[in-house]
Amino acid sequence: DIQMTQSPSTLSASVGDRVTITCRASLNISLWLAWYQQKPGKAPKLLIYKASTLKSGVPSRFSGSGSGTECTLTISSLQADDFATYYCQQYNSNIGVTFGPGTKVDVK
Amino acid sequence: EVQLVESGGGLVKPGGSLRLSCAASGFSFGQAWMSWVRQAPGKGLEWIGRVKSKDYGATIDYAAPVKGRFTISRDDSENRFYLQMNSLQTEDTAMYYCTTDLGNHEDYSDYWGQGTLVTVSS
Repeated sequence: DIQMTQSPSTLSASVGDRVTITCRASLNISLWLAWYQQKPGKAPKLLIYKASTLKSGVPSRFSGSGSGTECTLTISSLQADDFATYYCQQYNSNIGVTFGPGTKVDVK
Repeated sequence: EVQLVESGGGLVKPGGSLRLSCAASGFSFGQAWMSWVRQAPGKGLEWIGRVKSKDYGATIDYAAPVKGRFTISRDDSENRFYLQMNSLQTEDTAMYYCTTDLGNHEDYSDYWGQGTLVTVSS
Protein backbone atom coordinates (compact mmCIF):
# COMPACT_ATOMS: atom_id res chain seq x y z
CA ASP A 1 0.00 0.00 0.00
CA ILE A 2 1.10 3.54 -0.71
CA GLN A 3 1.94 5.71 2.29
CA MET A 4 1.54 9.48 2.33
CA THR A 5 3.35 11.72 4.79
CA GLN A 6 3.12 15.46 5.36
CA SER A 7 5.55 17.80 7.03
CA PRO A 8 5.33 19.57 9.27
CA SER A 9 2.33 18.20 11.17
CA THR A 10 1.79 21.62 12.74
CA LEU A 11 3.03 24.97 11.51
CA SER A 12 2.80 28.18 13.51
CA ALA A 13 2.81 31.30 11.34
CA SER A 14 1.80 34.95 11.19
CA VAL A 15 -0.27 36.87 8.68
CA GLY A 16 1.96 37.78 5.75
CA ASP A 17 4.30 34.80 6.17
CA ARG A 18 5.25 32.53 3.28
CA VAL A 19 4.17 29.01 4.21
CA THR A 20 5.29 25.73 2.62
CA ILE A 21 3.87 22.27 3.32
CA THR A 22 5.49 19.13 1.92
CA CYS A 23 3.74 15.92 0.96
CA ARG A 24 5.72 12.75 0.26
CA ALA A 25 4.51 9.49 -1.26
CA SER A 26 6.09 6.06 -0.83
CA LEU A 27 5.56 5.39 -4.54
CA ASN A 28 5.78 7.49 -7.66
CA ILE A 29 2.39 9.20 -8.07
CA SER A 30 3.39 11.35 -11.05
CA LEU A 31 1.08 14.39 -10.91
CA TRP A 32 -1.91 12.63 -9.30
CA LEU A 33 -1.94 14.88 -6.25
CA ALA A 34 -4.55 17.22 -4.81
CA TRP A 35 -4.54 19.65 -1.88
CA TYR A 36 -7.52 20.43 0.36
CA GLN A 37 -8.20 22.99 3.07
CA GLN A 38 -10.41 22.16 6.04
CA LYS A 39 -11.63 24.47 8.78
CA PRO A 40 -13.05 23.19 12.09
CA GLY A 41 -16.56 21.80 11.74
CA LYS A 42 -16.58 22.25 7.97
CA ALA A 43 -16.17 20.02 4.97
CA PRO A 44 -12.83 20.15 3.15
CA LYS A 45 -12.45 22.32 0.06
CA LEU A 46 -10.35 21.53 -3.00
CA LEU A 47 -7.51 23.97 -3.61
CA ILE A 48 -5.23 22.32 -6.16
CA TYR A 49 -5.33 19.24 -8.39
CA LYS A 50 -2.87 17.59 -10.76
CA ALA A 51 -0.14 18.79 -8.37
CA SER A 52 -0.15 22.39 -9.57
CA THR A 53 -3.52 23.30 -11.15
CA LEU A 54 -5.37 25.86 -9.07
CA LYS A 55 -9.11 25.25 -8.81
CA SER A 56 -11.14 28.11 -10.23
CA GLY A 57 -11.91 30.71 -7.58
CA VAL A 58 -9.05 29.75 -5.26
CA PRO A 59 -6.83 32.75 -4.45
CA SER A 60 -3.59 32.93 -6.42
CA ARG A 61 -1.53 33.08 -3.21
CA PHE A 62 -1.96 29.29 -3.15
CA SER A 63 0.33 27.30 -5.43
CA GLY A 64 1.42 23.71 -5.83
CA SER A 65 4.54 22.15 -7.27
CA GLY A 66 6.40 18.88 -7.56
CA SER A 67 5.77 15.43 -8.99
CA GLY A 68 6.76 11.84 -8.46
CA THR A 69 7.23 11.28 -4.73
CA GLU A 70 7.35 14.84 -3.39
CA CYS A 71 4.96 17.75 -3.78
CA THR A 72 4.59 21.07 -2.01
CA LEU A 73 1.80 23.51 -1.23
CA THR A 74 2.88 27.12 -0.84
CA ILE A 75 0.89 30.04 0.48
CA SER A 76 2.81 33.10 -0.66
CA SER A 77 1.42 35.53 1.93
CA LEU A 78 -0.68 33.94 4.66
CA GLN A 79 -4.04 35.60 5.27
CA ALA A 80 -6.25 35.38 8.37
CA ASP A 81 -8.67 33.17 6.44
CA ASP A 82 -5.93 30.62 5.74
CA PHE A 83 -5.56 29.27 9.28
CA ALA A 84 -6.82 25.74 8.79
CA THR A 85 -5.71 22.14 8.29
CA TYR A 86 -4.35 21.15 4.90
CA TYR A 87 -4.44 17.65 3.44
CA CYS A 88 -2.73 16.21 0.40
CA GLN A 89 -4.31 13.32 -1.48
CA GLN A 90 -2.88 11.04 -4.10
CA TYR A 91 -5.61 9.94 -6.47
CA ASN A 92 -4.09 7.34 -8.74
CA SER A 93 -6.76 4.74 -8.03
CA ASN A 94 -4.57 1.99 -9.53
CA ILE A 95 -2.62 2.16 -6.28
CA GLY A 96 -5.50 3.20 -3.99
CA VAL A 97 -6.67 6.74 -3.24
CA THR A 98 -4.96 7.98 -0.07
CA PHE A 99 -4.88 11.15 2.02
CA GLY A 100 -1.93 12.49 3.91
CA PRO A 101 -2.27 12.92 7.69
CA GLY A 102 -2.76 16.68 7.50
CA THR A 103 -0.87 19.84 8.45
CA LYS A 104 -2.44 22.30 10.86
CA VAL A 105 -1.52 25.93 10.25
CA ASP A 106 -2.12 27.94 13.40
CA VAL A 107 -1.39 31.40 14.76
CA LYS A 108 2.14 32.03 15.94
CA GLU B 1 -25.45 25.87 -7.58
CA VAL B 2 -23.84 22.52 -6.78
CA GLN B 3 -25.42 20.79 -3.81
CA LEU B 4 -24.64 17.49 -2.13
CA VAL B 5 -26.87 16.64 0.81
CA GLU B 6 -26.10 13.56 2.87
CA SER B 7 -28.63 11.80 5.08
CA GLY B 8 -29.09 8.54 6.94
CA GLY B 9 -26.49 8.89 9.66
CA GLY B 10 -27.18 8.11 13.30
CA LEU B 11 -26.44 5.83 16.21
CA VAL B 12 -26.11 2.12 15.52
CA LYS B 13 -24.90 -0.83 17.58
CA PRO B 14 -21.78 -2.79 16.66
CA GLY B 15 -22.65 -5.39 14.06
CA GLY B 16 -25.52 -3.30 12.77
CA SER B 17 -26.21 -1.77 9.38
CA LEU B 18 -26.91 1.70 8.04
CA ARG B 19 -27.60 3.14 4.61
CA LEU B 20 -26.38 6.62 3.78
CA SER B 21 -27.84 8.63 0.93
CA CYS B 22 -26.52 11.63 -0.96
CA ALA B 23 -28.88 13.84 -2.97
CA ALA B 24 -27.08 15.71 -5.75
CA SER B 25 -28.10 18.75 -7.75
CA GLY B 26 -26.61 21.60 -9.78
CA PHE B 27 -24.37 19.52 -12.03
CA SER B 28 -24.57 16.68 -14.56
CA PHE B 29 -24.83 13.85 -12.06
CA GLY B 30 -24.76 11.11 -14.71
CA GLN B 31 -21.37 12.31 -15.94
CA ALA B 32 -19.80 12.56 -12.49
CA TRP B 33 -17.71 10.18 -10.45
CA MET B 34 -19.00 10.01 -6.88
CA SER B 35 -17.00 9.14 -3.77
CA TRP B 36 -17.45 8.66 -0.04
CA VAL B 37 -14.82 10.01 2.35
CA ARG B 38 -14.98 9.72 6.13
CA GLN B 39 -13.35 11.45 9.06
CA ALA B 40 -13.25 9.96 12.54
CA PRO B 41 -13.59 12.48 15.38
CA GLY B 42 -10.40 14.50 15.66
CA LYS B 43 -8.69 12.50 12.94
CA GLY B 44 -7.76 12.88 9.27
CA LEU B 45 -9.58 12.08 6.06
CA GLU B 46 -10.04 8.53 4.80
CA TRP B 47 -11.20 7.64 1.29
CA ILE B 48 -13.81 4.88 1.39
CA GLY B 49 -14.65 4.27 -2.24
CA ARG B 50 -15.93 5.58 -5.55
CA VAL B 51 -18.30 4.77 -8.39
CA LYS B 52 -17.40 6.04 -11.84
CA SER B 53 -19.97 7.33 -14.32
CA LYS B 54 -21.75 4.89 -16.65
CA ASP B 55 -19.61 5.95 -19.60
CA TYR B 56 -16.65 4.66 -17.58
CA GLY B 57 -18.42 1.40 -16.84
CA ALA B 58 -19.76 2.55 -13.43
CA THR B 59 -16.65 0.91 -11.96
CA ILE B 60 -16.59 0.76 -8.18
CA ASP B 61 -13.44 0.65 -6.05
CA TYR B 62 -13.21 0.39 -2.28
CA ALA B 63 -10.58 1.04 0.35
CA ALA B 64 -9.26 -2.09 2.03
CA PRO B 65 -10.75 -1.43 5.52
CA VAL B 66 -14.33 -1.44 4.17
CA LYS B 67 -14.15 -3.90 1.28
CA GLY B 68 -16.70 -6.65 1.74
CA ARG B 69 -18.67 -4.71 4.38
CA PHE B 70 -19.63 -1.52 2.54
CA THR B 71 -21.42 -1.25 -0.81
CA ILE B 72 -21.53 1.85 -3.00
CA SER B 73 -24.26 2.41 -5.57
CA ARG B 74 -25.81 5.19 -7.61
CA ASP B 75 -29.21 5.97 -9.14
CA ASP B 76 -28.74 8.32 -12.06
CA SER B 77 -32.51 8.63 -12.58
CA GLU B 78 -32.87 10.11 -9.08
CA ASN B 79 -29.49 11.89 -8.87
CA ARG B 80 -28.74 9.92 -5.73
CA PHE B 81 -25.67 8.15 -4.42
CA TYR B 82 -25.63 5.56 -1.66
CA LEU B 83 -23.42 3.85 0.88
CA GLN B 84 -24.71 0.63 2.43
CA MET B 85 -22.72 -0.17 5.57
CA ASN B 86 -22.93 -3.63 7.14
CA SER B 87 -21.16 -5.28 10.06
CA LEU B 88 -20.41 -1.86 11.52
CA GLN B 89 -17.61 -1.58 14.06
CA THR B 90 -16.79 1.11 16.60
CA GLU B 91 -13.90 2.24 14.40
CA ASP B 92 -16.43 3.13 11.67
CA THR B 93 -17.62 6.03 13.83
CA ALA B 94 -17.02 9.11 11.71
CA MET B 95 -18.45 11.96 9.70
CA TYR B 96 -19.21 10.60 6.24
CA TYR B 97 -18.88 12.95 3.30
CA CYS B 98 -20.30 12.55 -0.18
CA THR B 99 -18.00 14.06 -2.80
CA THR B 100 -17.93 14.49 -6.57
CA ASP B 101 -15.40 15.15 -9.30
CA LEU B 102 -18.05 17.28 -11.09
CA GLY B 103 -17.48 15.35 -14.31
CA ASN B 104 -13.70 15.76 -14.50
CA HIS B 105 -13.33 11.94 -14.49
CA GLU B 106 -10.66 12.01 -11.85
CA ASP B 107 -10.52 10.64 -8.32
CA TYR B 108 -10.01 13.95 -6.55
CA SER B 109 -13.01 15.52 -4.78
CA ASP B 110 -13.96 18.77 -6.49
CA TYR B 111 -16.98 19.37 -4.25
CA TRP B 112 -18.04 18.02 -0.84
CA GLY B 113 -21.31 17.73 1.00
CA GLN B 114 -21.56 18.84 4.61
CA GLY B 115 -21.48 15.28 5.92
CA THR B 116 -23.60 12.96 8.01
CA LEU B 117 -22.44 11.59 11.34
CA VAL B 118 -22.37 7.87 12.01
CA THR B 119 -21.83 6.69 15.58
CA VAL B 120 -21.28 3.00 16.27
CA SER B 121 -21.67 2.28 19.95
CA SER B 122 -23.37 -0.15 22.28
